Amino acid sequence: GAVVSQHPSRVICKSGTSVKIECRSLDFQATTMFWYRQFPKKSLMLMATSNEGSKATYEQGVEKDKFLINHASLTLSTLTVTSAHPEDSSFYICSAPLGQGNYGYTFGSGTRLTVV
Amino acid sequence: GQQVMQIPQYQHVQEGEDFTTYCNSSTTLSNIQWYKQRPGGHPVFLIQLVKSGEVKKQKRLTFQFGEAKKNSSLHITATQTTDVGTYFCAPPGNQGAQKLVFGQGTRLTINP
Repeated sequence: GAVVSQHPSRVICKSGTSVKIECRSLDFQATTMFWYRQFPKKSLMLMATSNEGSKATYEQGVEKDKFLINHASLTLSTLTVTSAHPEDSSFYICSAPLGQGNYGYTFGSGTRLTVV
Repeated sequence: GQQVMQIPQYQHVQEGEDFTTYCNSSTTLSNIQWYKQRPGGHPVFLIQLVKSGEVKKQKRLTFQFGEAKKNSSLHITATQTTDVGTYFCAPPGNQGAQKLVFGQGTRLTINP
């Protein structure tokens, strides 16, 4: 089945540094990738939608300069958390549609970011 | 996006008991999807419901979509410890947008 590979799975970084998270679609082309953030024991909050070859669409309240999204190819989307702060610590996860329309989405395994 | 209310937020059952989670929307939904997220894991697609009044079964799991397409439910019969996790309903985004917006989720824990 369609698999999205997400790396790294865990990262610890110092305040003020930037962290890049990658999501690759392994056996299919993902023209669209969705990025979510999840706090402990909470639901997934959609941050932005990345589209191959065009600018990402951010949800209300999400700082585009803080969370840089790039979708340079049909198989790779990246999320860069810039100038990270402890409040950015969270579980970040990407997702791509499985096929035509909204018939199921496949998720990456997630990245647990801890900013110290 | 289309907002849904999912209840209960938490549910603890004895192994072998049944479990149901409900998803309610104030607006008509074109479809709804259900996902399961194991502790420490990522969401896994379970099913999509599209038709009014639709009922689908996957072994011990029964999914329903209301006649008015404003609510949905997931029922698990005779829970097993492998059913532990958080179950999310997810309607599509506004105006057929491809994005998926998740309900609050119901966290199921099971006493063996």
